[in-house]
Amino acid sequence: DTAVSQTPKYLVTQMGNDKSIKCEQNLGHDTMYWYKQDSKKFLKIMFSYNNKELIINETVPNRFSPKSPDKAHLNLHINSLELGDSAVYFCASSQDRNDGYTFGSGTRLTVV
Amino acid sequence: AQSVAQPEDQVNVAEGNPLTVKCTYSVSGNPYLFWYVQYPNRGLQFLLKYITGDNLVKGSYGFEAEFNKSQTSFHLKKPSALVSDSALYFCAVRAASGGSYIPTFGRGTSLIVHP
Repeated sequence: DTAVSQTPKYLVTQMGNDKSIKCEQNLGHDTMYWYKQDSKKFLKIMFSYNNKELIINETVPNRFSPKSPDKAHLNLHINSLELGDSAVYFCASSQDRNDGYTFGSGTRLTVV
Repeated sequence: AQSVAQPEDQVNVAEGNPLTVKCTYSVSGNPYLFWYVQYPNRGLQFLLKYITGDNLVKGSYGFEAEFNKSQTSFHLKKPSALVSDSALYFCAVRAASGGSYIPTFGRGTSLIVHP
């Protein structure tokens, strides 16, 4: 049983396309997150949702739009993909703010 | 503002020797501190955290970390390294109260354990 699962694992697409990454957690956690990890392994928070409500929206281009249909799912839709969007995107969840996060295995996005 | 420094990009240690991965932090007020490990092509895995209480925190896989408030440090340690410990290690910090509850991650330290 995968606790936090992301699909797809790899995504190769052309500039200008629109793509989505899906994330599901079966841990019953209330809070979910999207992180971006660049080529130098630097991790940056993008969004945080608590019980389907957007809590954190860091400085991210509005081409990125998260959607949480229920507290177990947090999807990431990206419009008009650019070369600089190439990175590994991680979904994570936590039961509360003081807990460590459980991360998914990541989606490697390559924009060509 | 909160920040984390992992001063070493890479740490090399022989199998069986003790290992230390360093982390220093800056935060307003008391810190909450975390360590994560990332194996190649995998997501991060939570190792341990310091919230309050005993300065020595024990975590998964035999790792422990010592909180030192005067030195604003939270170094990760293990008494005897295994080759399988080779991975990328991240320290993270957030303020215990006030501000964002989202932790800031360090840039990671690559641990290489030689047979």
